Amino acid sequence: AQSVTQLGSHVSVSEGALVLLRCNYSSSVPPYLFWYVQYPNQGLQLLLKYTSAATLVKGINGFEAEFKKSETSFHLTKPSAHMSDAAEYFCAVSDSGGTGNQFYFGTGTSLTVIP
Amino acid sequence: DTEVTQTPKHLVMGMTNKKSLKCEQHMGHRAMYWYKQKAKKPPELMFVYSYEKLSINESVPSRFSPECPNSSLLNLHLHALQPEDSALYLCASSLTYLSGGIADTQYFGPGTRLTVL
Repeated sequence: AQSVTQLGSHVSVSEGALVLLRCNYSSSVPPYLFWYVQYPNQGLQLLLKYTSAATLVKGINGFEAEFKKSETSFHLTKPSAHMSDAAEYFCAVSDSGGTGNQFYFGTGTSLTVIP
Repeated sequence: DTEVTQTPKHLVMGMTNKKSLKCEQHMGHRAMYWYKQKAKKPPELMFVYSYEKLSINESVPSRFSPECPNSSLLNLHLHALQPEDSALYLCASSLTYLSGGIADTQYFGPGTRLTVL
């Protein structure tokens, strides 16, 4: 069974500070992992995805995430927060083990950027 | 182009009304999804269509009726909804649903904000 845990439902950072959003996964097969961002009253936008090609994945808007198998983690980082980064962030794992492309989402982390 | 479009953007309906939500993609994707999302919660999967056939129904009440007329279009017909059905309804698509162990990215539309009075 696949599942994702996002520690910290709310994260606040100052503008220009490091952003770190945590995601831990549980998967019985090699996982495919995704980070999505959702701005108010909008759909989900793909930030980046891990598909086993490289452990450090670079995404859009300066975000990146590192896959650590030993820690079963896929934390999202950005060196310097911008006001425009304020949004809801979802980590997801895909059930790609032959039973279909279902995504299992974490509960989300709301990022606030303080000017 | 990775665009999924949804209409209408907002919908207000009474409990006795019948309405439909529409989703469209022109990326050649053969899997399409309906999700329901409540405020500050993750999306919850409702239905999955693969090659225009219903593959997954996550025990959704019959007052929600999906339809996939062709590979680019997905509808969600609504009838006799309850106030607790008010939510953001998201459509998504991916290249395939059964891809033999490879996860295909799901691309989401902007959603329809539904309010049931």
